[in-house]
Amino acid sequence: GESVGLHLPTLSVQEGDNSIINCAYSNSASDYFIWYKQESGKGPQFIIDIRSNMDKRQGQRVTVLLNKTVKHLSLQIAATQPGDSAVYFCADGGNTPLVFGKGTRLSVIA
Amino acid sequence: DTGVSQNPRHKITKRGQNVTFRCDPISEHNRLYWYRQTLGQGPEFLTYFQNEAQLEKSRLLSDRFSAERPKGSFSTLEIQRTEQGDSAMYLCASSPTGVTNEKLFFGSGTQLSVL
Repeated sequence: GESVGLHLPTLSVQEGDNSIINCAYSNSASDYFIWYKQESGKGPQFIIDIRSNMDKRQGQRVTVLLNKTVKHLSLQIAATQPGDSAVYFCADGGNTPLVFGKGTRLSVIA
Repeated sequence: DTGVSQNPRHKITKRGQNVTFRCDPISEHNRLYWYRQTLGQGPEFLTYFQNEAQLEKSRLLSDRFSAERPKGSFSTLEIQRTEQGDSAMYLCASSPTGVTNEKLFFGSGTQLSVL
């Protein structure tokens, strides 16, 4: 079965608002997680990753939070833009090969 | 462009025909992966190589599927006697060393349609 899973299959957000995409994982020994963004007709693109010795990591307009107690991570996108519309996947990077869930489709409303 | 390259981008074939896809990984990446993705689903692992050695194959990879990486650089994925259920996006990815805790770099995929 899946080792990671997104909470919601779809998310609609007003342009300019913040987006939060949630993901749960099952393996308490997992120590590395990766978020990917997939636009229509393209392969998944790396966004940000986080290791288990961190609770938070920030990139450009994106932040990933990791809660090891409840085995949950989230991807936050600040000031969501139309170009952020895509499917977002979390993956357990502690596995080889990477295992992906079904993803969350983010739709940005102009 | 030094990213992962896949060819062709699109392939339409008739049921029963054989098809072959090519993947050129990022130069000097040791590990190469093949995934399959259908509409509304996440990528599903098919197989991966460490250099020229095929290390793991998913049970999704039936006997009609074969993958090679003869010189440890580019890879090919062949599907024999295609079926309509083979219609999907076939994604290739590579990583530098293949150690755990390493992100994958994906190509844009080959979209296969079996009529």
